Parts: sequence; C-alpha cells; structure tokens
Amino acid sequence: AQTIHQWPVAEIKAVGSPLSLGCTIKGKSSPNLYWYWQATGGTLQQLFYSITVGQVESVVQLNLSASRPKDDQFILSTEKLLLSHSGFYLCAWSLRGQGAGQDTQYFGPGTRLLVL
Amino acid sequence: GDSVTQTEGLVTLTEGLPVMLNCTYQTIYSNPFLFWYVQHLNESPRLLLKSFTDNKRTEHQGFHATLHKSSSSFHLQKSSAQLSDSALYYCALSFLDSNYQLIWGSGTKLIIKP
Repeated sequence: AQTIHQWPVAEIKAVGSPLSLGCTIKGKSSPNLYWYWQATGGTLQQLFYSITVGQVESVVQLNLSASRPKDDQFILSTEKLLLSHSGFYLCAWSLRGQGAGQDTQYFGPGTRLLVL
Repeated sequence: GDSVTQTEGLVTLTEGLPVMLNCTYQTIYSNPFLFWYVQHLNESPRLLLKSFTDNKRTEHQGFHATLHKSSSSFHLQKSSAQLSDSALYYCALSFLDSNYQLIWGSGTKLIIKP
C-alpha cells in the first residue's frame, strides 16, 4: 500500500529564517506530486506540481520554491520566511498517466508552520 | 478564466436534517471533471466524490452529487446529517488537459448540531 510522509509535523520559525519541508511517497512509482498551502481557516492554494524527477512547475510561488530530487521525494523551501508563510502545508500525490482531469489527489498529513 | 464558486462559507444544521452544499463552476472546456473533497478538523483533505458524466448521480458514504453541465453545477447532498459530517467541504474542477491543476472552491464549513 502507498504511504505519504511529511516532515516535520510542525515547525515554529523566525521571520527571515530558511525553511525546508519534505514529502516522501512510498509504494507508488512515478507519481504526480503537488504542494498546497492552507492559511488558518482558509482555502487550499496549490503551489507547485511535478510530474517527473527534476521538473517542477509553479502555480503560485508565494516566495517559495520546490524541487523533486528523487522520484519519491518533493521538497518545499525558502531562504527567507515571511509572516505570511504561516499555515498548513500539504503534499499530495496522484497516479501518473491517467489524464490529469481524472486524477484523484491523495494528501499527506501536512506540516503546520508558524512564523513569528 | 476557470473558477469554482461555493456560495456558502458556513452552513449550520441540526442533526437529521438534509444537507445541500452548493457548487457551481465556470469554464470554457466542455469536459470538466468535478470533485468534492472533505477535510475534518486537524486532518488532511480526502476525496469524497468525483464525476465527469453529465446528469449521472454519484454516491459515496451517504453523500451524493450530480454533475449538471447545463447549469454548471455539482451540488453535494445528503438526506440526513450526522454529527460526524461536520467538516470543511471543497468543490474542485479539473479537465482532461488541465496541466495537473485542480481549481478549488473557497470551501464550505459544515457544522452539525445535536
């Protein structure tokens, strides 16, 4: 069975500090991967997606960047955090090759980030 | 551009009453895919329903929705609300050539009271 793991579970960081969030999917080969951000009480905002290793497309940047160094790994990062980066970060995966319109996205447990 | 509208930000109901959460969409594409995701408190979103067939009812876990392309709607319904239905519900839109984006509605928070 496929599992999706996100780390860390939660983080408290200072404004201006760097950030790196990770996501690993096990049990699925070559999945499509996605990063989402959700402000407290807010709606989901898709940030990035990746359909293959080394390729990442930006949807909304929010002064963040993403990378896919391995087939099963997706990294979200920034060199300088802003207060507005606080929220809930979700990684998701979907099956590759079925046609994007039909793909169900499966979400990880998320990382809660508080920037002070 | 493409968009999804969920008109109710908050719906509060008494247990046992019917649920209807509205979702309408706007797109130039003729073959949309519509999804309902549910997010319980302190959890991640998960798929509840999806459909791409016009006028066909889709059901799961007591909820149902029918895609009506004529009215660009995909409303979520349940005949009798349960306390455990309290959650955030998102409607989302995609297409066959969507470049891997889901277009999300703003979400409807459903609170079921005893």
